[in-house]
Amino acid sequence: KAGVTQTPRYLIKTRGQQVTLSCSPISGHRSVSWYQQTPGQGLQFLFEYFSETQRNKGNFPGRFSGRQFSNSRSEMNVSTLELGDSALYLCASSLRETQQGPPGELFFGEGSRLTVL
Amino acid sequence: KNQVEQSPQSLIILEGKNCTLQCNYTVSPFSNLRWYKQDTGRGPVSLTIMTFSENTKSNGRYTATLDADTKQSSLHITASQLSDSASYICVVSARTGAGSYQLTFGKGTKLSVIP
Repeated sequence: KAGVTQTPRYLIKTRGQQVTLSCSPISGHRSVSWYQQTPGQGLQFLFEYFSETQRNKGNFPGRFSGRQFSNSRSEMNVSTLELGDSALYLCASSLRETQQGPPGELFFGEGSRLTVL
Repeated sequence: KNQVEQSPQSLIILEGKNCTLQCNYTVSPFSNLRWYKQDTGRGPVSLTIMTFSENTKSNGRYTATLDADTKQSSLHITASQLSDSASYICVVSARTGAGSYQLTFGKGTKLSVIP
């Protein structure tokens, strides 16, 4: 069974540009969540999608957005990049039966490492 | 404010030795507590998930304990191996109402196992 796949693994952008990251969850998983990881702040929750609907959002500015497609694949977008956006962006999928209830076990991808110059 | 504090921040031990990592939380209402292992440059991998009623849970050489009264958890690693070198992250889930849940992450303990 294939794991969570994130693309691209590495990318370099300059300030002011925008970036789109992609995440393909484990087959059958309908919940996808995104996280930003930096050395100083650790893992921080960005948002979670379930069946194409955003059901939870972290405390990040509106420059961070996401969406989920009917096949559960998800993308996140960061516009007007800032130096502080340099981080490892992790995606996780979980087997959630319904929109309610606690998140199940999270299966993380390898992450997309973004460097903003 | 929900918080998860992990200690120590970093730890170096000799191969074959045991160690214990700590996690204190002020998350409520508590739903479950998770421990993840993250190798450098990789995504986190789940070690254990513990609910309120579980005091101890093992996964091979990893044993997690939970004291819901004192809001403390520990992860004990037995007979450490070089491959245990990683960051260990404690994550606590809280119910925020109306079927929604929030995950609060600790900043992790970086463990280095040396020969």
